[in-house]
Amino acid sequence: QVQLVQSGAEVQKPGTSVKVSCKTSGFTFISYYMHWVRQAPGQGLEWMGIIDTSAGSTTYAPKFRGRVTMTRDTSTSTVYMELSGLRSDDTAVYYCARPLGTYYDFWGQGTLVTVSS
Amino acid sequence: QSVLTQPPSVSGAPGHRVTISCTGSSSNIGATSGVHWYQLLPKTAPKLLIYGNSNRPSGVPDRFSGSKSGTSASLAITGLQAEDEADYYCQSYDISLSGWVFGGGTKLTVL
Repeated sequence: QVQLVQSGAEVQKPGTSVKVSCKTSGFTFISYYMHWVRQAPGQGLEWMGIIDTSAGSTTYAPKFRGRVTMTRDTSTSTVYMELSGLRSDDTAVYYCARPLGTYYDFWGQGTLVTVSS
Repeated sequence: QSVLTQPPSVSGAPGHRVTISCTGSSSNIGATSGVHWYQLLPKTAPKLLIYGNSNRPSGVPDRFSGSKSGTSASLAITGLQAEDEADYYCQSYDISLSGWVFGGGTKLTVL
């Protein structure tokens, strides 16, 4: 069955970076793009960007361009999201999600990233 | 501010019916990509409830239904149960922004 298993919670200081992983299984990795979505406390879901797992190309939401980097490792069917220049308002739960057409059919369990000095 | 607009909260008694609205524009809900709905429960992965305006994935009870008219959409939940208490989000693709957009979320309280 399809599974998206994310790395554990992180606590990072302002100005540093965080890298979250999402290990996939149960489907052909390179046949699907993968997205990252976040939810800050008390806020709604926010789309961050997409990675073509076959080509490695990426498209980022304008808000995150210059701070986010999405990569993938086809040997382990894992995607990564690295966010730099962390600020307190980057405190959020970060999700990986598999798109099917224009919606998501599977999501990771979420990774809480806390930015605090 | 979210691109799609949802009411912050709705409530209903067990067994009753509630609807959650989602308002967008001609570049997202009104475009061909349609609208999709998700249920978020604490500490669990978001769950797809409705895709393509009104389609239910297998395993989603028929108490959940979706509709779309023009640039707005609605999620209806009938026969409310305590387990339905959760946050609900609508989502679409915006052709002007070339990005995926969400509503601000609606918290459903079962009284």
